[in-house]
Amino acid sequence: GAVVSQHPSWVICKSGTSVKIECRSLDFQATTMFWYRQFPKQSLMLMATSNEGSKATYEQGVEKDKFLINHASLTLSTLTVTSAHPEDSSFYICSASQGPTTDTQYFGPGTRLTVL
Amino acid sequence: DQQVKQNSPSLSVQEGRISILNCDYTNSMFDYFLWYKKYPAEGPTFLISISSIKDKNEDGRFTVFLNKSAKHLSLHIVPSQPGDSAVYFCAASAGGGYGGSQGNLIFGKGTKLSVKP
Repeated sequence: GAVVSQHPSWVICKSGTSVKIECRSLDFQATTMFWYRQFPKQSLMLMATSNEGSKATYEQGVEKDKFLINHASLTLSTLTVTSAHPEDSSFYICSASQGPTTDTQYFGPGTRLTVL
Repeated sequence: DQQVKQNSPSLSVQEGRISILNCDYTNSMFDYFLWYKKYPAEGPTFLISISSIKDKNEDGRFTVFLNKSAKHLSLHIVPSQPGDSAVYFCAASAGGGYGGSQGNLIFGKGTKLSVKP
């Protein structure tokens, strides 16, 4: 149980285009979803926290107009990288939490974005 | 199918004693393993890692052991302190730990450690 999927698993796009990444909780309802970006040497940066039906809360330094997050249902959150540039190339991971606390997070398998 | 498994969702330990968190994996291509620590309302922070060419890595109170034949790793915290109370995630990578296109991380579901004073 508690499976989180991401789609696509990898994507290559041209600079200036937009890319949408989906995060789905397959067998539970995720009231809260998180988006992370992986940096070299395995560090993870929390980008934003989204609660179903409300606007995402972005961490300091994350451009909300560039990284659009939508949590339209209890099983789906999307991250859209708008006007992607090569520096946006990274590994994006989502995680989902079932209840009001965020102690337990179930991670998705990640999406590898490469911007040419 | 889960490639990284943490079968104990929670663990309670007395302050000063040893905490042992376990992690199993199924993918034999994994060659780099990491432990992350997560406090409430924060993202996971990197704690310690180990390459598959080693069977032990130590950093202060934290030691990670790797048993490749059993596809098992464990994190030992000695002595445990109340500030160690957090959720610990095990993660694995098939990219040698360098990030980039080979460094995709696969996470376990975490173990919540509670260290009682």
